[in-house]
Amino acid sequence: GAGVSQTPSNKVTEKGKYVELRCDPISGHTALYWYRQSLGQGPEFLIYFQGTGAADDSGLPNDRFFAVRPEGSVSTLKIQRTERGDSAVYLCASSAGRTGELFFGEGSRLTVL
Amino acid sequence: AQKITQTQPGMFVQEKEAVTLDCTYDTSDQSYGLFWYKQPSSGEMIFLIYQGSYDEQNATEGRYSLNFQKARKSANLVISASQLGDSAMYFCAMREPSQGAQKLVFGQGTRLTINP
Repeated sequence: GAGVSQTPSNKVTEKGKYVELRCDPISGHTALYWYRQSLGQGPEFLIYFQGTGAADDSGLPNDRFFAVRPEGSVSTLKIQRTERGDSAVYLCASSAGRTGELFFGEGSRLTVL
Repeated sequence: AQKITQTQPGMFVQEKEAVTLDCTYDTSDQSYGLFWYKQPSSGEMIFLIYQGSYDEQNATEGRYSLNFQKARKSANLVISASQLGDSAMYFCAMREPSQGAQKLVFGQGTRLTINP
């Protein structure tokens, strides 16, 4: 497709489980971002990739969160030992450059029971 | 301190009327960018309009315009001739080079409802 694709759209898991969320950016976009949006809030920055490397991971809340982008295209956000407070919509965005317009996907809604 | 403040949790407007969504920001950078995004119930964030801090003219994109008042640090979104499809959450966001030009900081949003 032409836009940013995120899977799964919905994920329900139990506390303590491991979760992976996938993002397929717009073809050719070198920059990829993950944001987290809690209920009633605006999105909060998690991590930014330029190519394959995480150029800025200052928004990751703790070491249970990790993200990879091994070939500079698809990215996976990984959450270990999930907690109820991790429940949120995880948004992925891509852009043609570091300061270009961000194009967002529809998000992955994570619910931790 | 909040970087982006949107003081209107919800707005209700009659179809075809104009509506102004408020946004104030806080930065010590001289160069920065301001954005408005629309988030319909599908969840996707849709870019609407951008204003650079050095832009002398207020940004316009179709029915959207940005009322940029630099001295007041405000960047209000104006939607003219509102339509039922404008009902959505609206987020103001800022990019500050000193905080990492790749980051957008978002406000808490305003839920706009257009009544027929």
